[in-house]
Amino acid sequence: GQNIDQPTEMTATEGAIVQINCTYQTSGFNGLFWYQQHAGEAPTFLSYNVLDGLEEKGRFSSFLSRSKGYSYLLLKELQMKDSASYLCAVSSSGAGSYQLTFGKGTKLSVIP
Amino acid sequence: KAGVTQTPRYLIKTRGQQVTLSCSPISGHRSVSWYQQTPGQGLQFLFEYFSETQRNKGNFPGRFSGRQFSNSRSEMNVSTLELGDSALYLCASSFENTEAFFGQGTRLTVV
Repeated sequence: GQNIDQPTEMTATEGAIVQINCTYQTSGFNGLFWYQQHAGEAPTFLSYNVLDGLEEKGRFSSFLSRSKGYSYLLLKELQMKDSASYLCAVSSSGAGSYQLTFGKGTKLSVIP
Repeated sequence: KAGVTQTPRYLIKTRGQQVTLSCSPISGHRSVSWYQQTPGQGLQFLFEYFSETQRNKGNFPGRFSGRQFSNSRSEMNVSTLELGDSALYLCASSFENTEAFFGQGTRLTVV
């Protein structure tokens, strides 16, 4: 089966750094995605990891350890606009198909 | 280029009715996936289509069905609507199994 766990809620201060963890157990693994979703809006792509290690993209970084079934999203220099839900998703593309399995999301609140 | 377009944005239906939702993917994307999003369950995979063929299906009852046309546009249908079908239905398109781009979704309310 597929199981993806991430914290339900987190709160952090503007200007600070926050790390959102994600652990997964899935049958078939072809990469891990992080998406951001503001309330009432569509999820938007943030990052993709397929190999172990850190991927950095501006204020956002994402880390993957396939052997541990673990990833994290690191947000630096937090801004009020970063208040949103962050979704961890695992891609399983077995048998020529494409499917993303999502965690339930972490609601991040950035406070002044 | 234009993003993923879903219509309608909002829909109110009565229990027992059926509904059809539409999704136009990004030009050149042949993979279209559908997801149901609810506060309690998060985003759950419904099905994925590629070149008019359903390649993968999630764990939903047969009342949920879909199809894809030759221009990659996709529709999903829900028959015999239940109150629990109230949700945000999201469509996503992708190119060669890369990141998925989501539409704004259709908010379905069943009363």
